[in-house]
Amino acid sequence: AQKITQTQPGMFVQEKEAVTLDCTYDTSDPSYGLFWYKQPSSGEMIFLIYQGSYDQQNATEGRYSLNFQKARKSANLVISASQLGDSAMYFCAMRDEFSGGYNKLIFGAGTRLAVHP
Amino acid sequence: DAGVTQSPTHLIKTRGQHVTLRCSPISGHKSVSWYQQVLGQGPQFIFQYYEKEERGRGNFPDRFSARQFPNYSSELNVNALLLGDSALYLCASSPTPVSSYNSPLHFGNGTRLTVT
Repeated sequence: AQKITQTQPGMFVQEKEAVTLDCTYDTSDPSYGLFWYKQPSSGEMIFLIYQGSYDQQNATEGRYSLNFQKARKSANLVISASQLGDSAMYFCAMRDEFSGGYNKLIFGAGTRLAVHP
Repeated sequence: DAGVTQSPTHLIKTRGQHVTLRCSPISGHKSVSWYQQVLGQGPQFIFQYYEKEERGRGNFPDRFSARQFPNYSSELNVNALLLGDSALYLCASSPTPVSSYNSPLHFGNGTRLTVT
């Protein structure tokens, strides 16, 4: 069955350092997309970055980048130069391969990141 | 431009009652999805509506229902509330029915429902 696994319940990092949040996935669909979302304590899910399975290069968006290893089925989020405002829950997600033409996303359990000054 | 707006932000209900949650998508977005997020877990898909038609339904009982209006806003209704329905209910919109780089889901701040 399709699954997203985030094995780090909590992580902490010193301000200005880089941190990697792990995500592994399982799917039988050859064409898929992976999303990372940030959820501050306010509750809103903020879209960060997307990686398509056929993208030739790892996705980057500002301080966010994906370490995408297709053969290992992992899509780890790298946050460079951490800021105090990066403290939040981070979720990895992918579209359900059986959802057909609609938007059912499957989310991992999330990783809580704490940035220390 | 306004983001996805949800109301109310917080709600306390008693077991057995009914609740209606509301969502207004980003202007121009025709797809609205609902997710339930229980404390300590990732969101779980409940429904998706696109162009006022139900496009998908998650593994939730018939007590959960939803609809989308001509202006693309949406309501999520839950009948006969149970303690286990306590959660953050997230609404998300997108311009197209399928998420991609060009049209990721945009979420609101959610409605925090507590059932006592």
